[in-house]
Parts: sequence; C-alpha cells; structure tokens
Amino acid sequence: QVQLQQSGAGLVKPSQTLSLTCAISGDSVSSNSATWNWIRQSPSRGLEWLGRTYYRSKWYNEYAVSVKSRISINPDTSKNQFSLQLDSVTPEDTALYYCARAAYWAFAIWGQGTVVTVSS
Amino acid sequence: QAALTQPPSASGSPGQSVTISCTGTSSDVGGYNYVSWYQQHPGKAPKLIIYEVTKRPSGVPDRFSGSKSGNTASLTVSGLQAEDEADYYCCSSAGNINFGMFGRGTRLTVL
Repeated sequence: QVQLQQSGAGLVKPSQTLSLTCAISGDSVSSNSATWNWIRQSPSRGLEWLGRTYYRSKWYNEYAVSVKSRISINPDTSKNQFSLQLDSVTPEDTALYYCARAAYWAFAIWGQGTVVTVSS
Repeated sequence: QAALTQPPSASGSPGQSVTISCTGTSSDVGGYNYVSWYQQHPGKAPKLIIYEVTKRPSGVPDRFSGSKSGNTASLTVSGLQAEDEADYYCCSSAGNINFGMFGRGTRLTVL
C-alpha cells in the first residue's frame, strides 16, 4: 500500500523560500509508471497543480506556468522522497499543500496535507 | 491559465441522480482522455473517484460514473446517499505547456 508522508515548515516569511518534503513508502520515486506531484488548495485558487517529477529512463520535471519561474521539485532516490521549493513567496502562496502520486493525471494517492502560511 | 469550469453547486434528494459538468477547451478536456474526478469531504484530502474519463478505481461504488462529449466532461452520481455530500473537482491533462488543470469545484448537497 503506497503512502505519502509530508513534512516541512508551516510558516514562511514573505520573500523567503517554502520547502516541503514528501516521503514515499510502498513505491519508488524512480518508478517508471508513476509521477510525483505537488498540488495546493486555497479558497481563492481552489485546487492548483504546481508541478511534478518522474523517471522514464531519465528524470523529468514539469511545472505550472503560474509558478514556473519560482519552483523546483526534486527527487531524492537515497531517501525515496521528493521535495518542493517555492522561492520568493508572498501571502498569495498561503495554502494547503499536498503531494500526490499519479498516473496519467489520475491522482490516486495523496499526502496528508501541510498548511503553509506566508506571513511576517 | 484558466481553471476548468464547474457549476459552484448542485443538489439532489436521496435516491435521485445528479450530474456535474466540467467544461474546458479542445486543448484540455476535448483533446485528451485524461479527465479525472475527485471527491473531497471537509478536512480530508481529495479522493480519486473517476479516471481516464470513465474508469472507476477499485472500491468506488458504481453509482459514480463519468463521461465526456466534446470539451465537456460529466460526473453522474446515481442513487444519491447522504455520504455523497461533498465537494467534487474535475482535472484534465492540458498538453505540454499547461500540463494539467483542475476545475474550481462543485459543492454537492444531498437534500
């Protein structure tokens, strides 16, 4: 049974970097059939897909246009996890952040969610 | 990058059927058979209930069904039950620029 466990800071100051990690159990971040995603949810934006990393003979990263200049999603094969970094955050980045495992845009497994507040 | 269009609310009485629409464009819903639907209860993570337009994951009741016509996908919930009261979101692949997007969600109320 695949499970995702999120960790990371819940409070980030404006202009700083948001960092979250998603630890995988029951699957491998190097899986050839899954993608590893970050999604956020806020009252103003609803559910918003942020980006993904996946392995298909080599590593790929793809990001939403809305955050492309500020985001980095990286796999860590030694710890079987993947991470989210979002730079130069503003209060608009305040949201509930989820990691999720997907195949063909079907997000079947979700992490528990992390509330991130951007405030000084 | 506009979200997919869903009605903000829908309702039905127990036992009835309700259909929720999800309208996009030929660049997302109309262009790919990678539409999925999620059910979200308050305080919980979204749960996948339909994928690849019409398929149901194991354990999802067959009261939930999906379809697509042109640029609009639909989720039908038949034989409404009290526990179906939740928020429902659609999601679609959107090509190699936008990649993927969600709808803004529909709150389903069981009267």
